[in-house]
Amino acid sequence: DAGITQSPRYKITETGRQVTLMCHQTWSHSYMFWYRQDLGHGLRLIYYSAAADITDKGEVPDGYVVSRSKTENFPLTLESATRSQTSVYFCASSPPGELFFGEGSRLTVL
Amino acid sequence: QKEVEQNSGPLSVPEGAIASLNCTYSDRGSQSFFWYRQYSGKSPELIMFIYSNGDKEDGRFTAQLNKASQYVSLLIRDSQPSDSATYLCAVTNYGGSQGNLIFGKGTKLSVKP
Repeated sequence: DAGITQSPRYKITETGRQVTLMCHQTWSHSYMFWYRQDLGHGLRLIYYSAAADITDKGEVPDGYVVSRSKTENFPLTLESATRSQTSVYFCASSPPGELFFGEGSRLTVL
Repeated sequence: QKEVEQNSGPLSVPEGAIASLNCTYSDRGSQSFFWYRQYSGKSPELIMFIYSNGDKEDGRFTAQLNKASQYVSLLIRDSQPSDSATYLCAVTNYGGSQGNLIFGKGTKLSVKP
């Protein structure tokens, strides 16, 4: 089925470890996004991509790395996880203006 | 810093009543406005979008936009317990990237049977 899928859905890791959250969409939308959602902050944009090999920073990019070698995939890597990165991460893809969200990845950093 | 402000709630209304959710935004260049609904533990889903001043109706939902006042609202008529969720207002000016939405923190709505 067409859609946007994230993996893993749940992840527990330790401070300093590298973690990669995967995102895959089947719609061939040009734009893809990573948001994090925290109590008291709402949804905040981490990184976005306008097309393969084109990425740009959002509001809270520090500590994260993204890549987009293929249109359908947009992985998010935490190179050295910190406790402040404990959050729910949503990937989204977009035709103009509207976002379609994945189910989210809940990450806990101990 | 572009901001989108919402009353965090919770907003509690009885079943069958009208729920009114409000949102203000700081960027006068904003052109497109969206309302997303998010059930607890789930991802946001789009309810409505509005681009022009005035009202836009879709079933029990009405979005209202007043660009002069930088204000957008969502009315839910005949509220149902299944409408209980957090409602996120989002705004974009299409500046820099399409779909680069700025979200408010959301208003939690509770519809009591």
